[in-house]
Amino acid sequence: EAQVTQNPRYLITVTGKKLTVTCSQNMNHEYMSWYRQDPGLGLRQIYYSMNVEVTDKGDVPEGYKVSRKEKRNFPLILESPSPNQTSLYFCASSFSKGGNQPQHFGDGTRLSIL
Amino acid sequence: GENVEQHPSTLSVQEGDSAVIKCTYSDSASNYFPWYKQELGKGPQLIIDIRSNVGEKKDQRIAVTLNKTAKHFSLHITETQPEDSAVYFCAASITGGGADGLTFGKGTHLIIQP
Repeated sequence: EAQVTQNPRYLITVTGKKLTVTCSQNMNHEYMSWYRQDPGLGLRQIYYSMNVEVTDKGDVPEGYKVSRKEKRNFPLILESPSPNQTSLYFCASSFSKGGNQPQHFGDGTRLSIL
Repeated sequence: GENVEQHPSTLSVQEGDSAVIKCTYSDSASNYFPWYKQELGKGPQLIIDIRSNVGEKKDQRIAVTLNKTAKHFSLHITETQPEDSAVYFCAASITGGGADGLTFGKGTHLIIQP
C-alpha cells in the first residue's frame, strides 16, 4: 500500500530535549516536505527536499533541521524544542517538484513541548 | 510570495444541500490549484485539482471552478452527505516556478447537519 509513515504519532516532551520525528515513504518519490498545522493558520511549510542530499527552507524553518540521506526518509529534527513548537506536524511526498504534483500526506505527529 | 485566502472558515449545511468554499490567490503566475480534505486524526487527502488551462473540472459530486482573471477558485459539493464533514483546504502553486511547495488557505470546517 502506498503510504507516508510518520513516527511517533504523539509525543509530550520538555523544553530543550532534542527530538526527531521520522518520515518514510514507499512510493519512490523525489520530493518530500514537512508542514506544521496550527489553529487558524492552516498548513505552513517548514522544510522541503527535492531529492537526496538536497534540502531547503520553507516558510517557517526556524528551530528545525532536516536531512535527506536516503530517498525514502526525511526526518525532522528539533535540536532544542520550545513551547512555541507545540503543533501538529505533517510529512508529505510527491513524485517530483512539490508545487504542481499531488501531495501524499502522513497522518500527522502531535507534539507537545512543556 | 503567494497568499491564499479561504472563506468561510466554518460552513454548516443540511444533508442533501450544496456547499461552496471559495479561495482567492495573489500571484497571477500560480497555475495549479488542488483541494484537500482532512478528516479527524488524518492527514490531508487530495480530492480534486485544476490547472490554469481549464476553467472547470468535475468528479461525481465534486467540482472546482477557476477564474484566472479574478484570481479565485471554488469548490462545489452537491448532494452533501454526512461523510463530507471534514476540514477542506485550498492551495495554489506555480509549476516550474521554483521548488517551493503549495501555499495553503487556512481551511474550512464543513459540517453536514442531518
